[in-house]
Amino acid sequence: GEDVEQSLFLSVREGDSSVINCTYTDSSSTYLYWYKQEPGAGLQLLTYIFSNMDMKQDQRLTVLLNKKDKHLSLRIADTQTGDSAIYFCAESMRRYSTLTFGKGTMLLVSP
Amino acid sequence: EPEVTQTPSHQVTQMGQEVILRCVPISNHLYFYWYRQILGQKVEFLVSFYNNEISEKSEIFDDQFSVERPDGSNFTLKIRSTKLEDSAMYFCASSAEAEHYGYTFGSGTRLTVV
Repeated sequence: GEDVEQSLFLSVREGDSSVINCTYTDSSSTYLYWYKQEPGAGLQLLTYIFSNMDMKQDQRLTVLLNKKDKHLSLRIADTQTGDSAIYFCAESMRRYSTLTFGKGTMLLVSP
Repeated sequence: EPEVTQTPSHQVTQMGQEVILRCVPISNHLYFYWYRQILGQKVEFLVSFYNNEISEKSEIFDDQFSVERPDGSNFTLKIRSTKLEDSAMYFCASSAEAEHYGYTFGSGTRLTVV
C-alpha cells in the first residue's frame, strides 16, 4: 500500500531557510500536499503540487518534486518563530480521494 | 474565512460507551471526511461521505463506526462501543466540488477512552 515517510524533527534559527523532506512509495500519486498543524489546531493546507510539476513557489514556500526518486520537499525561506509547527506531507491519487499522510515533521524555530 | 467546526474539543468516555463526535462542515462543501490521529502515529483515513452515502472507508472503519448527516449541516461520527485503542484525535474535513484542492480540516476532537 501507499506509504509516506518524513523525518520527525528539524530545528533552525530564525531567518534561516528550512527544508522539510518527504518520500512516498506510490508512483500513481497525483496530488501531493503540505499541511501545517499548530498546537491545538487542525491541519491547515499550506500548498499542493501536481505530479506533472517539478516546482511550485508561493511567497516564502517552495515545493520541489522529484518524481523519479518519489521525493518531495518544502522549503520555507526566512523562517520565523511563527513557523514552528508540525508539517505533514500527504498524497492522493485522485482529487477527492483519501489522503495518505506522513507522521509529520516538527519544525522548531529558535530566535 | 469559512471554517469546519468540531465539537466537543475534548471528550472523555468509559470503555464500552457510545460516543458521537460532531462536525459542521463548510456550508457549500459536498465531500466530507473523518480522519484520526493516535498519539505519535500518522493521521489515518477513516471514511469519506458524498451524496448522503459512504463513498470510501478504511479497514479501521468497522461495524463499531457509523457516520450520518442528519440535518444537512451536521456530519457526525458515532462509535458504538468504545475501546481503549479508539483514543485519538479525530479530525473532520470537507471539500468543495470545484476549484479547491485538498481539504479544510477542523481543529479536532480529542477522544480519551478510560
